[in-house]
Amino acid sequence: GQQLNQSPQSMFIQEGEDVSMNCTSSSIFNTWLWYKQDPGEGPVLLIALYKAGELTSNGRLTAQFGITRKDSFLNISASIPSDVGIYFCAGDYTGNQFYFGTGTSLTVIP
Amino acid sequence: ETGVTQSPTHLIKTRGQQVTLRCSSQSGHNTVSWYQQALGQGPQFIFQYYREEENGRGNFPPRFSGLQFPNYSSELNVNALELDDSALYLCASSLRGRSNEQYFGPGTRLTVT
Repeated sequence: GQQLNQSPQSMFIQEGEDVSMNCTSSSIFNTWLWYKQDPGEGPVLLIALYKAGELTSNGRLTAQFGITRKDSFLNISASIPSDVGIYFCAGDYTGNQFYFGTGTSLTVIP
Repeated sequence: ETGVTQSPTHLIKTRGQQVTLRCSSQSGHNTVSWYQQALGQGPQFIFQYYREEENGRGNFPPRFSGLQFPNYSSELNVNALELDDSALYLCASSLRGRSNEQYFGPGTRLTVT
């Protein structure tokens, strides 16, 4: 299957700091998604990207669809305690089969 | 509007047994996808169902099978369980062609001993 590598694997930051994480693929994707998963729950969609170079925001979150179509980036500004969780990227080129990354675990220290 | 629900929440089975997991899709959604999430990993696509037929499959052996019912609910069946099948099984529902807007259930935690 497709390999999506996320980095960093984990992050420990102070409340109020900005966060950056990225995801790279060995294949070109037509859609990139970013999800957040809390313990004991399924992933929740944060941002969807559909075009190379696209930059989309959702509140304090901003994501970009890489120009090469093989990568994507997620930034969180002014982190707060409820941002704690695992963030996953996911890519698709078929329209119905998403490949997920390995996840970035975020810890926010008050 | 009800969200995606899954049952049971937790399940313990013995190697070689068979298991059935259930998923009720979100109201109005006609497509269901199943994912396997091993501990510390991202979800892996198993298959998708639309109009009661399989509509795409990931790299999983035939002992993973599914059903979709006329009310769009779905089952995931796994035969001849192996220890490596221990994982969180997630289902997600969406509208046909809108898998980018899929909503996940809370998952079923399967432990195989």
